[in-house]
Amino acid sequence: AQSVAQPEDQVNVAEGNPLTVKCTYSVSGNPYLFWYVQYPNRGLQFLLKYITGDNLVKGSYGFEAEFNKSQTSFHLKKPSALVSDSALYFCAVRDGSSNTGKLIFGQGTTLQVKP
Amino acid sequence: EAQVTQNPRYLITVTGKKLTVTCSQNMNHEYMSWYRQDPGLGLRQIYYSMNVEVTDKGDVPEGYKVSRKEKRNFPLILESPSPNQTSLYFCASSPTSRRDTQYFGPGTRLTVL
Repeated sequence: AQSVAQPEDQVNVAEGNPLTVKCTYSVSGNPYLFWYVQYPNRGLQFLLKYITGDNLVKGSYGFEAEFNKSQTSFHLKKPSALVSDSALYFCAVRDGSSNTGKLIFGQGTTLQVKP
Repeated sequence: EAQVTQNPRYLITVTGKKLTVTCSQNMNHEYMSWYRQDPGLGLRQIYYSMNVEVTDKGDVPEGYKVSRKEKRNFPLILESPSPNQTSLYFCASSPTSRRDTQYFGPGTRLTVL
């Protein structure tokens, strides 16, 4: 069965410190992986994606993620957190062998960056 | 501005009163989809559409209907809403169903009393 796990409900970091939001996935075909961010009372904003190629993907607002096929992980990272990064983050996967377009989402991780 | 729009943004209704949530995109995308977001569950797909007149069920289609008569519009219909359909609903679109990024609307918060 296809699934995405975000093992931490909440991640707390101090401003200026590096942050990591974890994501692991399970699909039967090639994974297409995405990170989205949701600010309060807003829709989901696309951050970055991995389809193929370089395992390190760079996205919006200084975020990056590393695709690790052997560990089936796609952790989101940022070298220096900002208070404005505080939001709800979703990891999502699409099975590359499927043409339904369905995104499977993790349950979300709340990132809290403290001054 | 390229965007996905949804209306209404907030809706409070009563059990059994039919309602429609509209979704429109101005990017000429072929693929559109509806998701619902519930705490601790992330987003789950309700219905999707590969193109005009082509729709199919997602993971949680019970109690919902959709139609795709025009490329830009993909309304979500609740014929007889029930309290368990209280949720935050998102419409999304992408050029195709394969590798493309899906872009989401601002969401519709529905409360069914």
